[in-house]
Amino acid sequence: SQELEQSPQSLIVQEGKNLTINCTSSKTLYGLYWYKQKYGEGLIFLMMLQKGGEEKSHEKITAKLDEKKQQSSLHITASQPSHAGIYLCGADGLLNDYKLSFGAGTTVTVRA
Amino acid sequence: DAGVTQSPTHLIKTRGQQVTLRCSPISGHKSVSWYQQVLGQGPQFIFQYYEKEERGRGNFPDRFSARQFPNYSSELNVNALLLGDSALYLCASSTFGAPSTNEKLFFGSGTQLSVL
Repeated sequence: SQELEQSPQSLIVQEGKNLTINCTSSKTLYGLYWYKQKYGEGLIFLMMLQKGGEEKSHEKITAKLDEKKQQSSLHITASQPSHAGIYLCGADGLLNDYKLSFGAGTTVTVRA
Repeated sequence: DAGVTQSPTHLIKTRGQQVTLRCSPISGHKSVSWYQQVLGQGPQFIFQYYEKEERGRGNFPDRFSARQFPNYSSELNVNALLLGDSALYLCASSTFGAPSTNEKLFFGSGTQLSVL
């Protein structure tokens, strides 16, 4: 079973609208990573969060890690077709090792 | 600078065959990890190698093996292929790969393996 739960599983958003993806862990996260994947391709690094309450932004994407370091959210403002893809959260430290555990992903579709 | 490169990009095999997948890390990176991604799921950790030594292994059968060469490139071998081995196999590299360093992984584009 997955150590990380992502929600929603998929979403469709109208171009120009905002969207939010959530990632929840049952254990404290040492490091939380957000990646984006085009179907059948590799993962592209978006952001890494380490400290409780940390927030990072890049272009129109903002990621937050809650104070307890057990939940993260990814928010996209004014979505564009280029934002379409699969968003994956990953975390280290969940398996007592330095490998990443990933959520199942959230598929984002942007409608023109 | 070249990113993580994987070959081949696509592969079709039949049940019972053996397959070798290859990965070249980013220049300067000494750690290589392998992940299996089944359609509709997140990547699952298979192996990590650092300085040619296995540093971690996921919950995969002994049919899966890997090695890392002196130039830090890596191969993943899968024997006696099953239909369930059909997946995207991703290679990732990092500088050190040490525990809990919060070091980000750089992923290749993957090898899509289909087992018929």
